[in-house]
Amino acid sequence: QKEVEQDPGPLSVPEGAIVSLNCTYSNSAFQYFMWYRQYSRKGPELLMYTYSSGNKEDGRFTAQVDKSSKYISLFIRDSQPSDSATYLCAMSAVGKLIFGQGTELSVKP
Amino acid sequence: DTGVSQDPRHKITKRGQNVTFRCDPISEHNRLYWYRQTLGQGPEFLTYFQNEAQLEKSRLLSDRFSAERPKGSFSTLEIQRTEQGDSAMYLCASSLGTRGEQYFGPGTRLTVT
Repeated sequence: QKEVEQDPGPLSVPEGAIVSLNCTYSNSAFQYFMWYRQYSRKGPELLMYTYSSGNKEDGRFTAQVDKSSKYISLFIRDSQPSDSATYLCAMSAVGKLIFGQGTELSVKP
Repeated sequence: DTGVSQDPRHKITKRGQNVTFRCDPISEHNRLYWYRQTLGQGPEFLTYFQNEAQLEKSRLLSDRFSAERPKGSFSTLEIQRTEQGDSAMYLCASSLGTRGEQYFGPGTRLTVT
């Protein structure tokens, strides 16, 4: 069993939809949680960073962490075609990041 | 541009050759990480440095791989006697201290023929 599980999709939604992306994990030592966006053949771009449990909002993006359930989510409101990319969840205890497999998202105009 | 930079962006080599990649982190960041990513997978950790000290190496980092960070600035990752299975995107990231925020470079895509 992987330490971090993420549904690879692909996920296709119409423009303007609310997108929900999720990851589960097994290591209770994780305390830093991140979401990265990666376009094809590019490096991952940090979208959201959360320490411990709670919610964080940044524009159209909201990240949620529930440590009791070992479950994290990323919500994208008013999705745009430019949001089409692979979204990676990542988490760490005190150093290296452990990534999910990534979810491929396509937002159709 | 003050982000993480990597060189080269793409490397094609023949099996058995040695290759070396370079990473320049964000200037004030003291931690530097190397990851490897294959198609359809998330990045996998290889090794990381705090300043010039190499603090952790993954079991993925076989004896053919070596990384250095002289003087705690840029880092190099060398792969000796490359194999076709080494074909992947090699990503470098940097961070400040133990906080989780790691910023990635554009990656070096290695193709071994």
